[in-house]
Amino acid sequence: EPEVTQTPSHQVTQMGQEVILRCVPISNHLYFYWYRQILGQKVEFLVSFYNNEISEKSEIFDDQFSVERPDGSNFTLKIRSTKLEDSAMYFCASGHDTQYFGPGTRLTVL
Amino acid sequence: SQQGEEDPQALSIQEGENATMNCSYKTSINNLQWYRQNSGRGLVHLILIRSNEREKHSGRLRVTLDTSKKSSSLLITASRAADTASYFCATCTYNQGGKLIFGQGTELSVKP
Repeated sequence: EPEVTQTPSHQVTQMGQEVILRCVPISNHLYFYWYRQILGQKVEFLVSFYNNEISEKSEIFDDQFSVERPDGSNFTLKIRSTKLEDSAMYFCASGHDTQYFGPGTRLTVL
Repeated sequence: SQQGEEDPQALSIQEGENATMNCSYKTSINNLQWYRQNSGRGLVHLILIRSNEREKHSGRLRVTLDTSKKSSSLLITASRAADTASYFCATCTYNQGGKLIFGQGTELSVKP
């Protein structure tokens, strides 16, 4: 059964460093998303992506964040200068209507 | 404003009992989805119900949707210890980029 994959599973970084979180969506899907979940809190929408452009973004998704689909399979989330409050689990999802989530990347900013 | 708020926040039952979780939301939606999350893991899609549907079944799951009350319920029948997880409802509105708005979730504990 096709699934969304994410790498790395855990990323530890120093405050101010850039991180790139990677996702491989399900191959025939056209809609892609990033969400995050701070420990103990609900899942929050960050950004949706369709036809090689952002279709919707939340207030959280400020200039420090960017997304890219560099090739036909990968979908990346870049955080340019990480802050302590960026520590969270980041989930990639793909699909329209039903969204299929990856296992997440736990980002720890020290 | 909050969207997709579940209650109860926590529910503890015995194996074999039924578990009911409720979700309320505030704005118009195209569909509502329920997800399950085991501790520290990813989100698993359980069931989707569209705004023009009132009830849907999938195995031991039964979901209802009342758009007039802006509420939904998830019923898990004959629960098992393996059903122990957090359950989230999420609403979707197509003209908002298809984003899902999640509630805080219900933490279900099924005791053997």
